[in-house]
Amino acid sequence: NAGVTQTPKFRVLKTGQSMTLLCAQDMNHEYMYWYRQDPGMGLRLIHYSVGEGTTAKGEVPDGYNVSRLKKQNFLLGLESAAPSQTSVYFCASRVDISNQPQHFGDGTRLSIL
Amino acid sequence: AQKITQTQPGMFVQEKEAVTLDCTYDTSDPSYGLFWYKQPSSGEMIFLIYQGSYDQQNATEGRYSLNFQKARKSANLVISASQLGDSAMYFCAMRTNTGFQKLVFGTGTRLLVSP
Repeated sequence: NAGVTQTPKFRVLKTGQSMTLLCAQDMNHEYMYWYRQDPGMGLRLIHYSVGEGTTAKGEVPDGYNVSRLKKQNFLLGLESAAPSQTSVYFCASRVDISNQPQHFGDGTRLSIL
Repeated sequence: AQKITQTQPGMFVQEKEAVTLDCTYDTSDPSYGLFWYKQPSSGEMIFLIYQGSYDQQNATEGRYSLNFQKARKSANLVISASQLGDSAMYFCAMRTNTGFQKLVFGTGTRLLVSP
């Protein structure tokens, strides 16, 4: 029962470096999401996708890019990391039925020095 | 705009007692869904319970129930017979039919269950 798998689980970057976070789901879900979680602020939506080849901006998209080339994968990219992007990142997916919850990965803890 | 408010930063309860975690919401969309998630110290997000805006009865899932008061725009989570393993952060979230049904989260309530 893999569900939603995030890679890597931890990463430390220097300011200005780039990296890609990978999210993979094996539930054939149409919808996928990237959130960031900061202390005292709950989860905030960065970008989301409603299907293969589609992406859209969420609440806090600046500094991030995403791609969904395959239905099961949703990639989050940081082109030039900044200390303000230090956070825990969660990926989620869900089936396109209104009463169904989002299923979350275990998160990626990212620190930008 | 959609908004979720959780006014209790922290709550304490003794083992085996019941506890209510508050959640109020704001939306102009007549169709919406309310979710509660649990986040233990290990960090994962665990889905607990769902309530739809047109559901006639309050949702229940084992020891979890949702006290849904539509007129007051509140969706409080009730945990009965608290257990030590219930110590965690709890997030209320709302999804509406606008904006591709994104989830909007509250800031969470930290629950501590004492022996």
